[in-house]
Amino acid sequence: AQSVTQLGSHVSVSEGALVLLRCNYSSSVPPYLFWYVQYPNQGLQLLLKYTTGATLVKGINGFEAEFKKSETSFHLTKPSAHMSDAAEYFCAVTGENDYKLSFGAGTTVTVRA
Amino acid sequence: DTAVSQTPKYLVTQMGNDKSIKCEQNLGHDTMYWYKQDSKKFLKIMFSYNNKELIINETVPNRFSPKSPDKAHLNLHINSLELGDSAVYFCASSLGQGPYEQYFGPGTRLTVT
Repeated sequence: AQSVTQLGSHVSVSEGALVLLRCNYSSSVPPYLFWYVQYPNQGLQLLLKYTTGATLVKGINGFEAEFKKSETSFHLTKPSAHMSDAAEYFCAVTGENDYKLSFGAGTTVTVRA
Repeated sequence: DTAVSQTPKYLVTQMGNDKSIKCEQNLGHDTMYWYKQDSKKFLKIMFSYNNKELIINETVPNRFSPKSPDKAHLNLHINSLELGDSAVYFCASSLGQGPYEQYFGPGTRLTVT
């Protein structure tokens, strides 16, 4: 079984500041990890994913995440926040033969001008 | 062209009624899903279908009945609606299980009064 824990339900950052969203996973098999973003009243859009290979993964809109097996973490970062980054962010995990994503509780990001 | 579409976008109905939500994907994917997002934005898998075959039924009340007439469509019928069914329902699709990205529809906001 797989699960994720997102630390911090709300993160507030200033425009131009670093965005750091934390995700820790639990998995009995090698995990596949995803970050999705949800803008208000919209569906989920994939930011980036880790399957195998390079542990530093780059995604859309300047986001990146690093898979750290020793820490069971997959934290999401963006060097400089933009007002358009205000949204809900979800970390999710699945396994090789799994037909579902297990989501974290989500982190709401607000960006202050 | 919309990849995953859902109808309707909003659904307001009274307790005890029966309603359906339709989902279509034009991505040529074999696997489709229904997720429920509650008022706290927590996302949970309800059903997974692969090649029209039910793979996952995640302890959903049997008032919920999915139907996949073909690989491109996955509908959700809900009988005897209850207040607790109020949520946003997302359809998604992917190439298969495991590392494949899931593409989400825009969601259907169901309100039961």
